[in-house]
Amino acid sequence: QQQVKQSPQSLIVQKGGISIINCAYENTAFDYFPWYQQFPGKGPALLIAIRPDVSEKKEGRFTISFNKSAKQFSLHIMDSQPGDSATYFCAARAGGSEKLVFGKGTKLTVNP
Amino acid sequence: DAGVTQSPTHLIKTRGQHVTLRCSPISGHKSVSWYQQVLGQGPQFIFQYYEKEERGRGNFPDRFSARQFPNYSSELNVNALLLGDSALYLCASSWTLGQPQHFGDGTRLSIL
Repeated sequence: QQQVKQSPQSLIVQKGGISIINCAYENTAFDYFPWYQQFPGKGPALLIAIRPDVSEKKEGRFTISFNKSAKQFSLHIMDSQPGDSATYFCAARAGGSEKLVFGKGTKLTVNP
Repeated sequence: DAGVTQSPTHLIKTRGQHVTLRCSPISGHKSVSWYQQVLGQGPQFIFQYYEKEERGRGNFPDRFSARQFPNYSSELNVNALLLGDSALYLCASSWTLGQPQHFGDGTRLSIL
């Protein structure tokens, strides 16, 4: 049972373009939604996170958009750079639990 | 400041053997979680410990066990290793419950 569905599986973007990764969830008990960035041979690094009381959160070039009624959230990377090439994971956590439920990941390639 | 440190970085074992993986959380962090990441997938939750007590357990067999020490470091033990246990084992720490989790670079376990 996959509780967090992530798409696309892979994404190729030109330098300077916008990268968009989408996630959908089923469990309405989820109340914390982080995004992680993972480079080969490294562990996931926390990028940005949002709680459902806001619809958007921006940190630098990274923005999370959140649609509570649709149970969907997305990551937008503005002005994508070759250094952004990595695998991105969305995740969700229910209140009172420390268990993060991850999507299957999106491999982003930014061409120079 | 040092991040989450895990040891060893790589490990090769044969079927039926036992393995112990170690994790030192970020200084001041009291919560430690363990995840298994199979190649091409998102991390899967195994255990969470807070103040030396197990606070969460994922859908893994009893061959998997863990503990947390008074200094908040943690060990993950896996008995009777199977080929399917080959994965990257990740440790994440947070300073208390409900806070963002920060991952180490993991231990790559290969079962022959």
